[in-house]
Amino acid sequence: QKEVEQNSGPLSVPEGAIASLNCTYSDRGSQSFFWYRQYSGKSPELIMSIYSNGDKEDGRFTAQLNKASQYVSLLIRDSQPSDSATYLCAVNEGAGNMLTFGGGTRLMVKP
Amino acid sequence: KAGVTQTPRYLIKTRGQQVTLSCSPISGHRSVSWYQQTPGQGLQFLFEYFSETQRNKGNFPGRFSGRQFSNSRSEMNVSTLELGDSALYLCASSFTLRGDNSPLHFGNGTRLTVT
Repeated sequence: QKEVEQNSGPLSVPEGAIASLNCTYSDRGSQSFFWYRQYSGKSPELIMSIYSNGDKEDGRFTAQLNKASQYVSLLIRDSQPSDSATYLCAVNEGAGNMLTFGGGTRLMVKP
Repeated sequence: KAGVTQTPRYLIKTRGQQVTLSCSPISGHRSVSWYQQTPGQGLQFLFEYFSETQRNKGNFPGRFSGRQFSNSRSEMNVSTLELGDSALYLCASSFTLRGDNSPLHFGNGTRLTVT
């Protein structure tokens, strides 16, 4: 069974710190990787997508992908209380747009 | 540009009934996917439609079905509702069927409660 694993948290960081969220996946054939943010009671919102090994930066967010280690991470710099949410890692294994989601990591940024 | 629109936002149904949920994708998006989200199982893929054809299907019973119309709008149907079908049902759209460089964008979801 193809799996995507995340630490459920909560991950608590002080305002202004770097939050580091991690995700591992089991299918070596996975091709595309996504981070979604979900506020309580809301739908998932796309934060980052990454398709090749290395780092991809977008504002305060950096996604990192290591296919050899089957590992993808999300760094949030200068964390703000508004970043407090559940972060979902999602993996596309090549079948259309079908995504396998991890269980999510709840992030709490304390003022 | 309008986002993915799902209707209704909330539904309360009784066991044994059936329900139809509707989704209008982002303009120009031709792929529509459906996901179920529950506290216990998280987000799980139901099915994906592209050009009115089901392209992928998740591991759900046949009570769950869907269709896509020529204007890319999609509906999903759940028959013979069970208590365990209570969930947030999310529709997502994408420009193409290719998973790379074509991220999914989610609607606000339909919250289904089965009593």
